[in-house]
Amino acid sequence: DAGITQSPRYKITETGRQVTLMCHQTWSHSYMFWYRQDLGHGLRLIYYSAAADITDKGEVPDGYVVSRSKTENFPLTLESATRSQTSVYFCASRLTGGAGYGYTFGSGTRLTVV
Amino acid sequence: QKEVEQDPGPLSVPEGAIVSLNCTYSNSAFQYFMWYRQYSRKGPELLMYTYSSGNKEDGRFTAQVDKSSKYISLFIRDSQPSDSATYLCAMSGNTGNQFYFGTGTSLTVIP
Repeated sequence: DAGITQSPRYKITETGRQVTLMCHQTWSHSYMFWYRQDLGHGLRLIYYSAAADITDKGEVPDGYVVSRSKTENFPLTLESATRSQTSVYFCASRLTGGAGYGYTFGSGTRLTVV
Repeated sequence: QKEVEQDPGPLSVPEGAIVSLNCTYSNSAFQYFMWYRQYSRKGPELLMYTYSSGNKEDGRFTAQVDKSSKYISLFIRDSQPSDSATYLCAMSGNTGNQFYFGTGTSLTVIP
C-alpha cells in the first residue's frame, strides 16, 4: 500500500547502544522529516532532507545522525542512546514546493531507553 | 519564549457544542498556518491549512489567522464524539522546511 511507514513501532534499548529507526515512503516526495514528540514540548524537528543526499539540522539534532541515499528511505540513527532520547519519533514527508500541503506523518516509533 | 504557545487543556464539551482552539506565536515571519488532529497512538493528520491571514472553512471546521495579533484559531461546530483527539497547531515561514508545533490541546466530546 502507498504511504509512509515507520519501523519498528516499539523499541526498548539500553543506554549507550546504537539504534536505527526506519522510515519509508512510496510517494516519491522529495522532502522528508524526523520529529520527536515529548509531553510539554510538542513536536520538535530533528533533521530534514530536501532530496537524496541532502540533509539539514532542525531544532534538536544533537545525538542523532541521518542519511538519505534513496529518495524513499530516511533512517534516523541514535549513535549512543541516552535516557533523554526516550520519546515518540515521527517521520513525515511532503511534496517539493508544497509547503501548503503540510506533512504526511507516519504512525510513529515509541522508543524507550533504559 | 517558545515560538508557538498552545493551551494544553484538557477540554471537555458535550456533543453538539462549538469548540474553540487557539494558538499564539511570536515569529512575524510565519506565513503557513496549519491544524493537525492526532488520535491516541497515531501520527498527526492535516486538518486545515491557511496561508497568511484570513479565514478558511471546511465543513464543520473553520480556521482563522490574525497576523496582526499573532493569533490563530480553529472552530469546530456541532462537535461529535469522533472529534475527540489532540489538536496541534503548526506554522512555518515561506520555505516550509521547518514547521513549529504547539504542544497540542486535548479535546473530549461527551455523547
